[in-house]
Amino acid sequence: KQEVTQIPAALSVPEGENLVLNCSFTDSAIYNLQWFRQDPGKGLTSLLLIQSSQREQTSGRLNASLDKSSGRSTLYIAASQPGDSATYLCAVRKNKLVFGAGTILRVKS
Amino acid sequence: GAVVSQHPSWVICKSGTSVKIECRSLDFQATTMFWYRQFPKQSLMLMATSNEGSKATYEQGVEKDKFLINHASLTLSTLTVTSAHPEDSSFYICSAPARSNQPQHFGDGTRLSIL
Repeated sequence: KQEVTQIPAALSVPEGENLVLNCSFTDSAIYNLQWFRQDPGKGLTSLLLIQSSQREQTSGRLNASLDKSSGRSTLYIAASQPGDSATYLCAVRKNKLVFGAGTILRVKS
Repeated sequence: GAVVSQHPSWVICKSGTSVKIECRSLDFQATTMFWYRQFPKQSLMLMATSNEGSKATYEQGVEKDKFLINHASLTLSTLTVTSAHPEDSSFYICSAPARSNQPQHFGDGTRLSIL
């Protein structure tokens, strides 16, 4: 059974800092990995999708990497802003999406 | 813009009431839709997969008679929480699958509060 773990569970940083969120999964047989953002009481916004054959994806200040063999992914956020404050979810897909519990990020102004 | 529309966004009702949540795919047809449940500060857990024109597939531990799923058309799936009780209070989110190289699309979720 696939299990997805996200570390840290919560993170508070001052504005402008670069930060890294970690995601690990137990079964490396995945099709892709997705990072989502969830604001309080809201649905999910897809940030980045990495196919199993890819090593990384970039979108603006976000960069996600994937090491499938070791079952790890990182989400790098550059020059963090207060508007980045949200919960970040990692999910891996084979037959279905399996989510981690998320990292609650707070960027202080 | 949104590609999956979910309604209502918030429901408060008395214990024993049945509540229906709708999930619509916009501008595309979805033969399959996923229903998730999220408790506070926890991850999304897949409840069931609805299949257009056939029975839904439920995950282990999810009561079929409690959570009725109907997928009568290629753009609409509904989840009905029957005889809801306070322990059913949660955040319910639907999702439509994408092609293998595309992100999965999610609705905005429904906050269900049973008094």
